[in-house]
Amino acid sequence: QKEVEQNSGPLSVPEGAIASLNCTYSDRVSQSFFWYRQYSGKSPELIMSIYSNGDKEDGRFTAQLNKASQYVSLLIRDSQPSDSATYLCAVRGTSYQGAQKLVFGQGTRLTINP
Amino acid sequence: DGGITQSPKYLFRKEGQNVTLSCEQNLNHDAMYWYRQDPGQGLRLIYYSQIVNDFQKGDIAEGYSVSREKKESFPLTVTSAQKNPTAFYLCASSIGGRGEQYFGPGTRLTVT
Repeated sequence: QKEVEQNSGPLSVPEGAIASLNCTYSDRVSQSFFWYRQYSGKSPELIMSIYSNGDKEDGRFTAQLNKASQYVSLLIRDSQPSDSATYLCAVRGTSYQGAQKLVFGQGTRLTINP
Repeated sequence: DGGITQSPKYLFRKEGQNVTLSCEQNLNHDAMYWYRQDPGQGLRLIYYSQIVNDFQKGDIAEGYSVSREKKESFPLTVTSAQKNPTAFYLCASSIGGRGEQYFGPGTRLTVT
């Protein structure tokens, strides 16, 4: 079982709809969870961090965390063509002397259709 | 402006040559990281460093070496021992405690 799993997609969503991206993780002691957006040929950009169970909203983005189910998701409301990208889920691994090792999923490719 | 810079953006080398990728940050972050990304893949950790003069191997350190002589700089050397060096190399940094990592623009290395 991979440590962090995402559906690789592609996920195709019409413009204006809600895009829902999912991620599961295997390490029960994980404490920190992140979503990165990566445009083709570019580096990942941090868009959301979530540390406790429940929802966290930032503009059109909502991150949802359920530690009991080891599940984290990202919702994008009112999807725009500019949201078309690969979305990477990252989970903070076991801390070692304070280091913040992240384990990444393989990413979900999202396409917003005008 | 604060940020992370990587150079060069594109790098071409022949097999058997060592090559060094540069990563500099002026964010005053303590921790720095090197990742590798292959097409259609997630990021894999090569090396990371929490403080100056200290670094640890990540998941795929074989064939790579690093140094951390200054807080701002974390260069990565891809040696001839790395069997499949062609990839997109990403440097990241983070401030202590929260795990939020920020990435530089990356270096795309092609070895033929």
